[in-house]
Amino acid sequence: DVVMTQTPPSLSVAIGQSVSISCKSSQSLVYSDGKTYLHWLLQSPGRSPKRLIYQVSNLGSGVPDRFSGTGSQKDFTLKISRVEAEDLGVYYCAQTTHFPLTFGSGTKLEIK
Amino acid sequence: EVQLVESGGGLVQPGSPLKLSCAASGFTFSSNWLNWIRQAPGKGLEWVASINPDGSSTYYPDTVKGRFVVSKDNAKNTGYLQMNNLRSEDTAMYYCARTNWVRWGQGVMVTVSS
Repeated sequence: DVVMTQTPPSLSVAIGQSVSISCKSSQSLVYSDGKTYLHWLLQSPGRSPKRLIYQVSNLGSGVPDRFSGTGSQKDFTLKISRVEAEDLGVYYCAQTTHFPLTFGSGTKLEIK
Repeated sequence: EVQLVESGGGLVQPGSPLKLSCAASGFTFSSNWLNWIRQAPGKGLEWVASINPDGSSTYYPDTVKGRFVVSKDNAKNTGYLQMNNLRSEDTAMYYCARTNWVRWGQGVMVTVSS
């Protein structure tokens, strides 16, 4: 199984600051079609998860461009520039390259 | 508007069956994978089942293989998760989601307890 190691487990940031979350996979996430199926999700308090970024760096529909994703193979990063109050919640990385599908353990973002 | 709406959750006894439904609208259901994911109270996300667009292939983690069955009726735009021989550790919020997590439902709670 592909293990997704996400760090840090929690972050506390002030409005306007920038933060980065790391996600490392135990295997390459490059699929046979050449694409990398690594995604970033945000679960706001009391809500279902929402996809922010798909295939490493593509912004989801309606997602502010303050969010960006980078990385390749086994090493990925989500960056949030100019954090806003609405960004609080738990961020998950997730891979859909290999079965069983797996998620990172989550990064809880709190606003100072 | 794209929507996924789960239903069928509730409180059941250990060993009981339960069937969840996921009603889809606003997109071409027959062209999308359907996935089920669960989240135990206070815990992270766990993938439970996937079915390909035409329903010909299904996938499960070892934790539910042999007990859960995923299906979809493309004519009804509805997906299903049949859960058999439920255990206390299956207690969780269950979500359905489209291909590559592009959209999730609001979730339905399943509680397994005597």
